[in-house]
Amino acid sequence: AQTVTQSQPEMSVQEAETVTLSCTYDTSENNYYLFWYKQPPSRQMILVIRQEAYKQQNATENRFSVNFQKAAKSFSLKISDSQLGDTAMYFCAFHIYGGATNKLIFGTGTLLAVQP
Amino acid sequence: DVKVTQSSRYLVKRTGEKVFLECVQDMDHENMFWYRQDPGLGLRLIYFSYDVKMKEKGDIPEGYSVSREKKERFSLILESASTNQTSMYLCASVPNPRQGYQETQYFGPGTRLLVL
Repeated sequence: AQTVTQSQPEMSVQEAETVTLSCTYDTSENNYYLFWYKQPPSRQMILVIRQEAYKQQNATENRFSVNFQKAAKSFSLKISDSQLGDTAMYFCAFHIYGGATNKLIFGTGTLLAVQP
Repeated sequence: DVKVTQSSRYLVKRTGEKVFLECVQDMDHENMFWYRQDPGLGLRLIYFSYDVKMKEKGDIPEGYSVSREKKERFSLILESASTNQTSMYLCASVPNPRQGYQETQYFGPGTRLLVL
């Protein structure tokens, strides 16, 4: 069975500093996608960043980047120059490419608080 | 921009009532999903649909049913609401993979349901 584990239920960071959220997953598949979603307080869940497993280069989106370690099945999210608007619940998610469905498997989330 | 809307942001119902949660997307997506979000448990898939009138059980379908009569609308039904169904319910949609590319899921704003 595929699983996603986020071992940090809550984290805190000072504004302008860097923080890393961890995520590990378990699968026997070789082709899959990994995602980080952000859910701000009382607002819609949105995609932060995605990574295709066949790509060795780590994905980046402005201040957000990932450290994808396929052999270790690790997919951490680094947020640089943290801003107050980054305060949110962050979910790591996993999807098998070419599977019978488009199901996403989610971790339990990390609540990030950016302090002024 | 893809828009996924849900009929209510907040809902209060009595035990035993029949509850309808509606989700509408405007991007002609084939796949639609209903998740339940609970603290410490992340997002868990209740049901999904990959076409009109087609549905599949997710990981926690007990106590729920769904209806998809039109492509843009996916309804979640609680046949007889119980207090353990108090939760945040999220709807999402995504197109079928095209040319080997898997699009990300787009989420609605969520419905926070309280069953008394």
